[in-house]
Amino acid sequence: AQKITQTQPGMFVQEKEAVTLDCTYDTSDPSYGLFWYKQPSSGEMIFLIYQGSYDQQNATEGRYSLNFQKARKSANLVISASQLGDSAMYFCAMAYRNAGGTSYGKLTFGQGTILTVHP
Amino acid sequence: ETGVTQTPRHLVMGMTNKKSLKCEQHLGHNAMYWYKQSAKKPLELMFVYNFKEQTENNSVPSRFSPECPNSSHLFLHLHTLQPEDSALYLCASSQTTGGRRGEKLFFGSGTQLSVL
Repeated sequence: AQKITQTQPGMFVQEKEAVTLDCTYDTSDPSYGLFWYKQPSSGEMIFLIYQGSYDQQNATEGRYSLNFQKARKSANLVISASQLGDSAMYFCAMAYRNAGGTSYGKLTFGQGTILTVHP
Repeated sequence: ETGVTQTPRHLVMGMTNKKSLKCEQHLGHNAMYWYKQSAKKPLELMFVYNFKEQTENNSVPSRFSPECPNSSHLFLHLHTLQPEDSALYLCASSQTTGGRRGEKLFFGSGTQLSVL
């Protein structure tokens, strides 16, 4: 069974500074995908970044980067130059894949981390 | 117009009521999903539809009945719910449930359901 752990219920950061949100995962599958989603107060889940288990380089998407440490089974999200609009709940998630490496669109989510950006 | 639209945004119902949640996606995707987000719990997958066919029922009680008339629309019919069913119900879509593209989900804003 897959499991995602986010140990930080809440995080605070000063505007324009960088922040790291922690995520560890547990799976026996060799092939998997890791995601980060942002959920503002409006409720919509917004895709931020994706990392495949066989990807050689850490994923980056604008101000978002994923610090992927496979041996430690961690996939931390780094947000650089924080903005007030970054205040939201952030979820780490893992996609289930079968033995053939095919995903069936089932994501396992962590508990989430509430990020508050101070001006 | 957003990619995935859910209505209503808020719903209050009694335990004997029957109501339906609606989801519509304008992204040309073939797979649609219902997720449940309860307070202090991780999001839980409920149902998966691929090309209108249900491919996953994650042990969801029968008081939740999904319907997918076409690849763009997904409904969740509710009847005789319990107070513990109060949650945010999120609809999502993806290009397909197979391959990497199937893993990237596009979510709606959800329906906040309160069962009295």
